[in-house]
Parts: sequence; C-alpha cells; structure tokens
Amino acid sequence: QKEVEQDPGPLSVPEGAIVSLNCTYSNSAFQYFMWYRQYSRKGPELLMYTYSSGNKEDGRFTAQVDKSSKYISLFIRDSQPSDSATYLCAMSGLGAGNNRKLIWGLGTSLAVNP
Amino acid sequence: GAGVSQSPSNKVTEKGKDVELRCDPISGHTALYWYRQSLGQGLEFLIYFQGNSAPDKSGLPSDRFSAERTGGSVSTLTIQRTQQEDSAVYLCASSQDSQPQHFGDGTRLSIL
Repeated sequence: QKEVEQDPGPLSVPEGAIVSLNCTYSNSAFQYFMWYRQYSRKGPELLMYTYSSGNKEDGRFTAQVDKSSKYISLFIRDSQPSDSATYLCAMSGLGAGNNRKLIWGLGTSLAVNP
Repeated sequence: GAGVSQSPSNKVTEKGKDVELRCDPISGHTALYWYRQSLGQGLEFLIYFQGNSAPDKSGLPSDRFSAERTGGSVSTLTIQRTQQEDSAVYLCASSQDSQPQHFGDGTRLSIL
C-alpha cells in the first residue's frame, strides 16, 4: 500500500461545477500538505499549501486537512475549462537538515467541459 | 531567472550511454530536490541538496545515478550506463527555508 492514496479518475464535470478532490495518507508524521496542478508536458505548479490541520481558501480554491482522519481535500468552485489538468497531492514531514522531500499521490485527471 | 530551469527539455539516447541533466534553481533558493515521474509510479523523490551538500540520497535507484551541486546553485543529475527502465521525466524543484517547492518543466528522457 502506498503512503499516499489518490483516485486517478479521470473525472469529467461540466463548466461551473464544484469539484472535490481528495487524498488519504498513512504516515502520521506528515505536517505539510500541498496541492499541485500539472498541465501536459509541464512541471507541477503549486496551488495550495497548508501546515497541519485546517482550511485554507484562495480564490476559487479551498484546501482542507483533517489530520485525525489522515484525509486532505481540494475544492474548486465555478470550475472552468482552463482547470482541466492533473491535480497532485503532496505531503512531507520535517526531516533532518530541514529536508522536506515530498511524497506524492498518483494524481487525479480532471476534465471540465464547456 | 524567474523560475526553475531544466535542460535539455528532451533527451533521447541509446541504452548503455551516459546522460547528464541540468537544473538551474530559483536564485537564492538553498534547497534543491530531484524527482522522477513515470507512468504508473507517479512522482518519486531521488535526492535532496541543502547548499552543496546532499544529506538525503535515499531515493537514488542504483549506483548508476549520481548528482552534484556547485556554488549552491546549479545541479547536475548523471545517469551512467542507461537502461530502458530509466525512461521517465526528471523534475527538479527548489525552495527557500520553510517555503514550498517550485518545479521546473522537467527533462523527458527516452532510452532506446
């Protein structure tokens, strides 16, 4: 079993829908939680960054972390065709020497249809 | 530069050849990471640099893989005697202090 589980989809929604993406994890040492967006043939682009449990909102994006359940979510409101991409969750603990190597989910492929 | 720069963007080589992949991090970022992204495996950590030192090399898959960083800036990942299973996208990321990592667009490596 992988340390981070993420449903790969694909997920297809109509424009304007609310999208819910999530990941579960097994390592209780994880403290830093991130969501990245990746377009085809591009590198991951940071969307949201959360430390420990709680919610964080940035425009149409909301990230939630529930450490007690080892569950993180990303919500996208008013989804747009330009949101069509692969969404990757990533997380880390704090290793020696400030090492924050990321452990990744496999990514969820999202298509937003006009 | 404004972002993390990687070169070459694409590399095709024959099995058994050596390859060098380059990463130019964001100016001033002291931490640098290499990851590998392959189909079905997702992104996997390879190595972490803090300045010119590599305190965590635990993700390097074999002794054919090595990396160095000079001047606290540019890093080179070298794969010797390449094998077909080395085909993947190699991604570099950099960060400053406790901030999250920012990625380049990667080098797409194909071994024939």
